[in-house]
Formats: sequence, structure tokens, C-alpha cells
Amino acid sequence: KAGVTQTPRYLIKTRGQQVTLSCSPISGHRSVSWYQQTPGQGLQFLFEYFSETQRNKGNFPGRFSGRQFSNSRSEMNVSTLELGDSALYLCASSLTGGPVSSSYNEQFFGPGTRLTVL
Amino acid sequence: AQSVTQLDSHVSVSEGTPVLLRCNYSSSYSPSLFWYVQHPNKGLQLLLKYTSAATLVKGINGFEAEFKKSETSFHLTKPSAHMSDAAEYFCVVSDPSYSSASKIIFGSGTRLSIRP
Repeated sequence: KAGVTQTPRYLIKTRGQQVTLSCSPISGHRSVSWYQQTPGQGLQFLFEYFSETQRNKGNFPGRFSGRQFSNSRSEMNVSTLELGDSALYLCASSLTGGPVSSSYNEQFFGPGTRLTVL
Repeated sequence: AQSVTQLDSHVSVSEGTPVLLRCNYSSSYSPSLFWYVQHPNKGLQLLLKYTSAATLVKGINGFEAEFKKSETSFHLTKPSAHMSDAAEYFCVVSDPSYSSASKIIFGSGTRLSIRP
């Protein structure tokens, strides 16, 4: 069974631009969560999608948005990029929900997309 | 609010000796607790989880952790370290009862180095 895939793996953008990251979950998984990992702030929860609906959201500004398609693939968008958005963005999928969900199943993480904002 | 503190940013042990990675948490409700491992340039992998069942939790690769409510701790241990254990380890607390922004909190991580 293929794991969680994230594209692209590396991305370089400049301030003010926008970026879209993609995540394909494990086949059959309906929950996709996104996390940001930076040296300064560590790992932080961005949001979780389940059946095309955002079910949970972390404490990030509105510049960070996401969506999930009917095939459970998810995209994350960051608009008006800032230097501080440079990070590793991790996607995780699970059958019914990650740790933030009351219907928790184990999450499986992708390798991440490393975004550099210049 | 929930919080989690990993007491050591870096732990170095010799191969074959025990490993202890310390984690303390704060949560008003009944949290679930997790340990994840991250190898360089890889995503996170679940080692083990505590969800209010047995307080001693066994995970993969010989790791285990004990939930101690009185000490609000969830330390990760392994009897004998292997070179392949060298990685970053994250302690995580979560509770769906909290508001969305606070449902899941990651520790700052402990980097485990193994000396030959």
C-alpha cells in the first residue's frame, strides 16, 4: 500500500507570493491533517480535513487555508508569503481522524514539503 | 491550556545502554499522549500512544512509556539503544475537548544520539 505522498518536496518562493502544497493520503483514508515544523516554533497543528470539510483548525492566520477533494487528496495554500513561513509542512492521513479527533486512528505522515521564502 | 515539556533537548547514550527521554504534560481533562520519532528528512512515525487504558504502553522497536498521572509524566524508555534509534523524538498531548487551536500540542523535541 502506498504511503502518504506530498508534492513538491522542495519549494522556493519570494515574499508576497502564494504557494499551494499537495498531499495524497493513503488509499481509503478520509482524514488529512497539516502541520508546520520550524526550528523556532517547533511542530504546530494547522488544520484537519475530513470528507471535504475542515473539522479542526489550529491558531494560524487566514493566509493559511486548505481544502480536501472528493478523493481525499488535500491542498494547502499560503497567500502573501512571509519570511517566517519558511518551514517543513507535513501532511498526515488517517482512516477517521488524527489525535485532535474524538474518533482517533493512527496517523501516517508524509515526508513533508520544505518551503523556503526569500 | 494544554502544554508539554520535553526536559532534554539532546540525549546521548552508548549503544546497548538504556534510553530515557523525559516528558511532562499539563492538561485539564483526560489527554491522550503520544511519542513520535522523526528521522532526518522523513515524516513522523508513531512509536506509541496512551489513551486511558493501561498505564504502561509498549510501542514499536522496543520502546515503552509509562503514564504517571500523579507526576504528570510520560517518559519514553528503551532497555538497550541501537544505532538506528538516533533521531528526533516528540512527545505530544492531545484532547479533543479543547478548542481547535489547542487540541494538539507538540513538545519541542529531544534529539537522541547513539555513541558506538
